[in-house]
Amino acid sequence: AQKVTQAQTEISVVEKEDVTLDCVYETRDTTYYLFWYKQPPSGELVFLIRRNSFDEQNEISGRYSWNFQKSTSSFNFTITASQVVDSAVYFCALAGEGNKLVFGAGTILRVKS
Amino acid sequence: EPEVTQTPSHQVTQMGQEVILRCVPISNHLYFYWYRQILGQKVEFLVSFYNNEISEKSEIFDDQFSVERPDGSNFTLKIRSTKLEDSAMYFCASRELEGTGGSPLHFGNGTRLTVT
Repeated sequence: AQKVTQAQTEISVVEKEDVTLDCVYETRDTTYYLFWYKQPPSGELVFLIRRNSFDEQNEISGRYSWNFQKSTSSFNFTITASQVVDSAVYFCALAGEGNKLVFGAGTILRVKS
Repeated sequence: EPEVTQTPSHQVTQMGQEVILRCVPISNHLYFYWYRQILGQKVEFLVSFYNNEISEKSEIFDDQFSVERPDGSNFTLKIRSTKLEDSAMYFCASRELEGTGGSPLHFGNGTRLTVT
């Protein structure tokens, strides 16, 4: 069975602070994929990144970076110099060798000006 | 950029009524999904659909739910007799055929279902 844990229910930061959202996953599959989605207040789910289990290279995209560590089954997401527009719910998700994407409970990020 | 479209954006219905939620997936995608998100809670898998049949469903997807791809473009979720606890945001998603699980799901903007 697949499981995704996002232990941080809610994080509040002040604009320009860096913030890291934690994600820990469980799977027995050899091949799997990890994702982050953003859900802004408007409610839609926006795809941010995908990582496969064979690629542990960290990735940076603008102010966003992701740290995938297979040894600790973690796929953490860091926002550098946060902005008010980053305020949203962020979901980590896992797809194993089946067809289904399993979501974590989400972390509410509030960025205050 | 192509996107998944869902209609209506908000539907209000009375308990016991049937509702049909509609989705138009991205045209070259082959896997289709319905997910549900009760207000303030996690996004839960309901059902996946491939090659004109259900490939997997969750325990939430009981006999009152059904899915259909009536033509080449639409993908619908029917709830036969709605209950108060069916009130939620329902997301449709689609993805390309790219091995197992690997291509990202593209989600529609959701239909907010309110059962009164």
